[in-house]
Amino acid sequence: AQTVTQSQPEMSVQEAETVTLSCTYDTSESDYYLFWYKQPPSRQMILVIRQEAYKQQNATENRFSVNFQKAAKSFSLKISDSQLGDAAMYFCAAHLNTNAGKSTFGDGTTLTVKP
Amino acid sequence: DVKVTQSSRYLVKRTGEKVFLECVQDMDHENMFWYRQDPGLGLRLIYFSYDVKMKEKGDIPEGYSVSREKKERFSLILESASTNLTSMYLCSTQPRLSYEQYFGPGTRLTVT
Repeated sequence: AQTVTQSQPEMSVQEAETVTLSCTYDTSESDYYLFWYKQPPSRQMILVIRQEAYKQQNATENRFSVNFQKAAKSFSLKISDSQLGDAAMYFCAAHLNTNAGKSTFGDGTTLTVKP
Repeated sequence: DVKVTQSSRYLVKRTGEKVFLECVQDMDHENMFWYRQDPGLGLRLIYFSYDVKMKEKGDIPEGYSVSREKKERFSLILESASTNLTSMYLCSTQPRLSYEQYFGPGTRLTVT
């Protein structure tokens, strides 16, 4: 079975500090896509960042970057210079079979940002 | 910008009622999904659709059905509401060759 695991149900970070959210996945596929989504309290879930498995370079989007370790099947999200608006639930997701439509989501990590 | 709308943000229904949740997208995406979100359980896939009149069961289809008569609209139907169906329901769309998903605001359903 293809699974996505987020081992940290809750994390907290001080404003302006850096935090890393962990995600591991299990697949026998060689071609797949990985995503981090953000769901702020009572607001719509949005895509934060995506990584194609065939790319060795880690994806970055402004203050958000990933550490993609394909051999270890690890895909962590680093948030630099944390801001109060980063407080949200973060979901790791994997599109593990490019021939099927669906993605598999982790259980989520709730990030608190302390002023 | 992709816009995904859901018919209600909050809904309260009685046990045994039939419930319709509607999702509409404006970006001509082929794939649409219905998820259920519960604390500690992440997102669980109920049903998805690759095209008009096409549907496939997800991981937890029991108690639900879906309808996709038009490309932009994907409806989730709870045939007979029960308290264990109280949850947040999320709709999403996905362009076929891109794989990321675009979510609606969610419908928080309470069954009493």
